[in-house]
Amino acid sequence: KAGVTQTPRYLIKTRGQQVTLSCSPISGHRSVSWYQQTPGQGLQFLFEYFSETQRNKGNFPGRFSGRQFSNSRSEMNVSTLELGDSALYLCASSGGGTGRRDEQFFGPGTRLTVL
Amino acid sequence: AQKVTQAQTEISVVEKEDVTLDCVYETRDTTYYLFWYKQPPSGELVFLIRRNSFDEQNEISGRYSWNFQKSTSSFNFTITASQVVDSAVYFCALLDSNYQLIWGAGTKLIIKP
Repeated sequence: KAGVTQTPRYLIKTRGQQVTLSCSPISGHRSVSWYQQTPGQGLQFLFEYFSETQRNKGNFPGRFSGRQFSNSRSEMNVSTLELGDSALYLCASSGGGTGRRDEQFFGPGTRLTVL
Repeated sequence: AQKVTQAQTEISVVEKEDVTLDCVYETRDTTYYLFWYKQPPSGELVFLIRRNSFDEQNEISGRYSWNFQKSTSSFNFTITASQVVDSAVYFCALLDSNYQLIWGAGTKLIIKP
């Protein structure tokens, strides 16, 4: 069974631009969560999507948004990029056949650099 | 407030030494899950263990062992006979009632040959 995939793996953008990151969960998983990892703030929860609906949201500004498609693939978008958005963005999938949400499987991450 | 504290920022030991990584948590939930993840330099988070709040049995998996004590709100992780390949950042995390992972700051473990 394929794991969680994230594309692209690396991205360089400039301030003010916007970016879209993609995550494909493990087949059969319906929940996708996004996390931001920075040296200063560590790992922080961004949001979770389940069946195309945002189920939970962390404490991030409205520039951070996401969506989920009918095939459970998810995208997150960051608009008007700031230097502080440079981070590793990790996606996790859960809720497979057992429906368990306590098992989260992580992808390799997308490393975003904002210049 | 829900919080996970990993007081050790960095630990450096020589190969074959035993090492314990500390994790202390705070939660108001009566049912919760605790996790340990390993993050090698590649960046991917590797799941090591999940423990629910009702299961206080210690767990051993090869060279890894975990000591969960609700009385002290701790979930410590011990690597026996450490190896260079164990070098990584280790995170302790708490799954809250909204199924959000609350992360500790991580402990960077350096195993020197």
